[in-house]
Amino acid sequence: GAVVSQHPSRVICKSGTSVKIECRSLDFQATTMFWYRQFPKQSLMLMATSNEGSKATYEQGVEKDKFLINHASLTLSTLTVTSAHPEDSSFYICSASPGTGPYEQYFGPGTRLTVT
Amino acid sequence: AQTVTQSQPEMSVQEAETVTLSCTYDTSESDYYLFWYKQPPSRQMILVIRQEAYKQQNATENRFSVNFQKAAKSFSLKISDSQLGDAAMYFCAYRGWGGSEKLVFGKGTKLTVNP
Repeated sequence: GAVVSQHPSRVICKSGTSVKIECRSLDFQATTMFWYRQFPKQSLMLMATSNEGSKATYEQGVEKDKFLINHASLTLSTLTVTSAHPEDSSFYICSASPGTGPYEQYFGPGTRLTVT
Repeated sequence: AQTVTQSQPEMSVQEAETVTLSCTYDTSESDYYLFWYKQPPSRQMILVIRQEAYKQQNATENRFSVNFQKAAKSFSLKISDSQLGDAAMYFCAYRGWGGSEKLVFGKGTKLTVNP
């Protein structure tokens, strides 16, 4: 099956710093990648959709200047949390979808971000 | 906008028994996909089963099967012969037909399996 990796799995950063999370499709080309945020005991909240070589489309209420998304290649997308604050602490999950039907979304294992 | 509703925040089942998780959705589209995802304590999202709306036959994957009622916009998941490893959060999700369509998730049902 298709495999998606995320790095790092856990990260702790200080308030005011930036942190980058990588999402890679290991054995397929991902035309579209999605970034989600999940609070404890809640569902996944879509943050943005990115297509390779294009600007990401952000969901309403998501600050595009705080959550920078880059999808520079068909196997890599990055999420950079800029000037992180404790309220940005969360579990971030990416998914990747190939360019052919049924356009299945394959999920990464997630990244736990803690901002101190 | 499409919405997905899971009305059971928590469910429990005895090992080896059968449990059904409910899901309803709202859409004006005629072609779409429906999914059930499992999220165990590791938090890795695992696809359990997928249903294409144009298919009348209910999808089945081993012990997992769905009851898809398109007119009623209902999509329940039945887990037969429940195992301890089935304990997890289960999310029902809707996705439109196109390639860049996003998944719309329900709030989830926490399933506990009692030995």
